[in-house]
Amino acid sequence: QKEVEQDPGPLSVPEGAIVSLNCTYSNSAFQYFMWYRQYSRKGPELLMYTYSSGNKEDGRFTAQVDKSSKYISLFIRDSQPSDSATYLCAAGFQKLVFGTGTRLLVSP
Amino acid sequence: NAGVMQNPRHLVRRRGQEARLRCSPVKGHSHVYWYRQLPEEGLKFMVYLQKENIIDESGMPKERFSAEFPKEGPSILRIQQVVRGDSAAYFCASSPPTGGQPQHFGDGTRLSIL
Repeated sequence: QKEVEQDPGPLSVPEGAIVSLNCTYSNSAFQYFMWYRQYSRKGPELLMYTYSSGNKEDGRFTAQVDKSSKYISLFIRDSQPSDSATYLCAAGFQKLVFGTGTRLLVSP
Repeated sequence: NAGVMQNPRHLVRRRGQEARLRCSPVKGHSHVYWYRQLPEEGLKFMVYLQKENIIDESGMPKERFSAEFPKEGPSILRIQQVVRGDSAAYFCASSPPTGGQPQHFGDGTRLSIL
């Protein structure tokens, strides 16, 4: 079993839709959780960074961590074509463990 | 503010040659991390360094791969006697010396082995 599991997609939605991206993890020692966005041929760009359980909101993005079920989520409201990218969840501290990424396609 | 700078962006080597990948962290960041991304796979941790010290190299292949972060200058990931399986995107990330801060990534070096 991989330490961080993520559905690879692709996930296709129309512009304006609410997008839900999810990951599960197996290591209960993980305390820090991150979401990165990666455009083609570019490096991962940090979107959200949370410590332990709870919600964190930043503009159109909301990150949720449920440590009891080892489940992390990213919600994108009012999705835009420019949100089309691969979204990577990660857990850990100095040694990050990444999911394989979910490819999101937002059509105009 | 400059982010993490990696060079070269693309590197082509023939089998058996050496590859040197450079990473300049964000100004003020003293922690550097290297990750490898193979096609259709997620990023895999390779090594974590602080200035002049290797802190965690648990993800580094046992042979041919080495990394350093000298007191002055960029961090270097060195791959000796490259093989076709080394073809991948190599990403560097950095974080500040204060604890609990996230890692910020560069745009990577894409290594192709002929």
